[in-house]
Amino acid sequence: KAGVTQTPRYLIKTRGQQVTLSCSPISGHRSVSWYQQTPGQGLQFLFEYFSETQRNKGNFPGRFSGRQFSNSRSEMNVSTLELGDSALYLCASSLGSGDDYTFGSGTRLTVV
Amino acid sequence: GIQVEQSPPDLILQEGANSTLRCNFSDSVNNLQWFHQNPWGQLINLFYIPSGTKQNGRLSATTVATERYSLLYISSSQTTDSGVYFCALGRNNDMRFGAGTRLTVKP
Repeated sequence: KAGVTQTPRYLIKTRGQQVTLSCSPISGHRSVSWYQQTPGQGLQFLFEYFSETQRNKGNFPGRFSGRQFSNSRSEMNVSTLELGDSALYLCASSLGSGDDYTFGSGTRLTVV
Repeated sequence: GIQVEQSPPDLILQEGANSTLRCNFSDSVNNLQWFHQNPWGQLINLFYIPSGTKQNGRLSATTVATERYSLLYISSSQTTDSGVYFCALGRNNDMRFGAGTRLTVKP
């Protein structure tokens, strides 16, 4: 079966801009979670969507937002980009309970 | 929030050696998983193990939920085992990751 697909793989943005990242989960998976990975902070949970509703949220500012569509595809948006937002953004999908957590390859965002 | 501590932070092994990675956590959870991140950044799910013991080839894992720790065993290590091993846990899908153990297996 197809895995979790994240697009784009690489992105370079300028400070102050906004960016939208996309995640297509494994077919049938209704939960999509987003993570930020940086060398200094490690892997940090951003939020989780399940059936188009945000079910869990991490400790990130309101500049980070997300949504999920009826086909379970999810997008995350970061507005007013800062240099510190440079990171690998990973999404993971599961059926719902988390025991089949599968990660995508990530989107590497560089803010200059 | 839940605290996750992994040890050791770094581990260097000769090919063929065995190793044990540890994950301590601060609260009860219903979701605990081990992941391997390869040098290209891909995270691979190794085990879903909120309690008990599981084995998959050269890898096995044990979680003692009442004592709040989990162990990942790697036997007969190979160079392809190199990378970072993460323990992640939480309630349902609100997962918290440890800082990881960076494993280097030398030929």
